[in-house]
Amino acid sequence: DQQVKQNSPSLSVQEGRISILNCDYTNSMFDYFLWYKKYPAEGPTFLISISSIKDKNEDGRFTVFLNKSAKHLSLHIVPSQPGDSAVYFCAASEETGNQFYFGTGTSLTVIP
Amino acid sequence: NAGVTQTPKFQVLKTGQSMTLQCAQDMNHNSMYWYRQDPGMGLRLIYYSASEGTTDKGEVPNGYNVSRLNKREFSLRLESAAPSQTSVYFCASSEWNADTQYFGPGTRLTVL
Repeated sequence: DQQVKQNSPSLSVQEGRISILNCDYTNSMFDYFLWYKKYPAEGPTFLISISSIKDKNEDGRFTVFLNKSAKHLSLHIVPSQPGDSAVYFCAASEETGNQFYFGTGTSLTVIP
Repeated sequence: NAGVTQTPKFQVLKTGQSMTLQCAQDMNHNSMYWYRQDPGMGLRLIYYSASEGTTDKGEVPNGYNVSRLNKREFSLRLESAAPSQTSVYFCASSEWNADTQYFGPGTRLTVL
C-alpha cells in the first residue's frame, strides 16, 4: 500500500502566481520529508527538506509546510516561473528507518 | 564533481538476457540505492547499501541482484530479464542511510 500519496497527478499555474503541491502520508513514524524536482530524461534533484521538529522550512521561492496531525505536507512555489515546470516528488522516512518512500509525483506546468 | 553517474543511458534486451547496470559516485557517500520508476508508481526502492560491504532488499527486489564493489560503485544485475522489468532505473547516494539522496541521470531499459 502506498505510504506516501500525491493525489494530484498534474497542476497548471500562471507565471507569477503561487503553485501549491500537496502530499499525504499514512505512517505516523515518518519524521523526515524531502521534495525532489525532476525534468524529463534527467534524475530527480533535491529541492528542499523538513524534519518533524519544524512546521515550515523556506528556501528562496520554495517553502515546505508540515502538518503532523493531518499527516500532510505541501510545497509552495512563489512566484512560479516557467522553468519550474517539472514533476515534483515528495518522499518520507523514519529517523531510524533505512529508506525513503516516494509519492507518485505531480506534474507542474507553469504557463507564461 | 560528476556526482552520480550511470551507464548505460539506454538498453534494449530480449527476454531472458542478462545485463548489469553500473553506478558510481564521487561524493564519498556511504550509502547507495537503486530505484525503478514506472508510470503512475513513483520511485520504488529495489536494493540499497547502507555502507560499504552491506546490501539489503528494498520494496521490489525480485529479479535483481546487487554488488557494492567498493565505496564508489554499486551495480544492479538482471540475471534473466523479463518484460515487467522495462522501466527507468535510477541510482542514488547519500552521506548516510536515510539522509538526503542525490540521483544519477537514469538508465532507460526496455525488455522485449
